[in-house]
Amino acid sequence: NAGVTQTPKFRVLKTGQSMTLLCAQDMNHEYMYWYRQDPGMGLRLIHYSVGEGTTAKGEVPDGYNVSRLKKQNFLLGLESAAPSQTSVYFCASSSSLSRSYEQYFGPGTRLTVT
Amino acid sequence: RKEVEQDPGPFNVPEGATVAFNCTYSNSASQSFFWYRQDCRKEPKLLMSVYSSGNEDGRFTAQLNRASQYISLLIRDSKLSDSATYLCVVNRDDKIIFGKGTRLHILP
Repeated sequence: NAGVTQTPKFRVLKTGQSMTLLCAQDMNHEYMYWYRQDPGMGLRLIHYSVGEGTTAKGEVPDGYNVSRLKKQNFLLGLESAAPSQTSVYFCASSSSLSRSYEQYFGPGTRLTVT
Repeated sequence: RKEVEQDPGPFNVPEGATVAFNCTYSNSASQSFFWYRQDCRKEPKLLMSVYSSGNEDGRFTAQLNRASQYISLLIRDSKLSDSATYLCVVNRDDKIIFGKGTRLHILP
């Protein structure tokens, strides 16, 4: 099993450009998440999904959109990138939202917006 | 007040020593608790869950104090490979809150 994979690993964008980050998991997990991690800020939840076809906003959703058309994939889109979106983006998945669960993270995407 | 707070460190500890750090949470309705480990430039990985009765996994011991609203992580006989950032994670009403992490450096 590959676990959680993310594409691409690195990307540099100019302000105003758009891009899509792809997350894929092969563990048949229902729940998937997108986080961003910035120095001194910790992990912050952008959007999450509790199943195929469903998405919900997290703590910092502005400037991002997501889609979960297939259970194994969770896409994060930036329509018009801004320098404030320079960050490391992590995707994660879990089998449930029950009390004892584990989130499995992908290796991250390092995005720089100039 | 932030919902989950950790001392950012760094904790610089000689190899073989014992080190402990705490994480405080503000919401008494928090239901479950975890420690994650994150190596430099890598993704977070679950280290251990934290139970009310306390739990041990090899050199690692986690404790929960609901009355004072904190969890702790104790590492005995520390190894160079223990150098990492340790993230405290709290689950409340299906909401997951990550602490900013405590950096640990084990010195040879």
